[in-house]
Amino acid sequence: GDSVTQMEGPVTLSEEAFLTINCTYTATGYPSLFWYVQYPGEGLQLLLKATKADDKGSNKGFEATYRKETTSFHLEKGSVQVSDSAVYFCALATNAGGTSYGKLTFGQGTILTVHP
Amino acid sequence: DSGVTQTPKHLITATGQRVTLRCSPRSGDLSVYWYQQSLDQGLQFLIQYYNGEERAKGNILERFSAQQFPDLHSELNLSSLELGDSALYFCASSVAPTDTGELFFGEGSRLTVL
Repeated sequence: GDSVTQMEGPVTLSEEAFLTINCTYTATGYPSLFWYVQYPGEGLQLLLKATKADDKGSNKGFEATYRKETTSFHLEKGSVQVSDSAVYFCALATNAGGTSYGKLTFGQGTILTVHP
Repeated sequence: DSGVTQTPKHLITATGQRVTLRCSPRSGDLSVYWYQQSLDQGLQFLIQYYNGEERAKGNILERFSAQQFPDLHSELNLSSLELGDSALYFCASSVAPTDTGELFFGEGSRLTVL
């Protein structure tokens, strides 16, 4: 079945440091890939997405590139801020004949803490 | 604010009891999803409804059931509760099941079983 593996956390960084959170996946077919973010006390919200190989998703300074050859979708940000402290989830969705497309398979989540 | 409303936000109950969690999707969204978030299992997909009909089923226990009503709100019923059912239950919605995969999540209902 489909699965997503994220790097073990938590991750603690100083403000303006470079961030990488690794994500690899296993899926049948051609999945779409997503990063969701969960701020304290809130639900998940979509951060960025990529729907085909070599696509780059980007939002709020975060980027991730869909690498089919390495089945990866690593999240990066050049300079993190205290406000980026949250839990980050990598996820995939597969389109099985047009049904259940919205069903997402999530990774375990990575807790990011950014200190001033 | 995602536009998805979940009630109650917190619920404490005892083993063996039954509870109902409620979800109102974003205006115009026809598809509703339920996820369970726990420390040991992470985020697990439970079930999906589209316009009142069950569309996909995940790791949902037989003690759990859900439905989507004509006004599109959804309820997740959890019965014969066990300690291990303690978790954060999220509802999410989307326009349709074959959309871009972007789901809009509510803030969750935290269930504690004592």
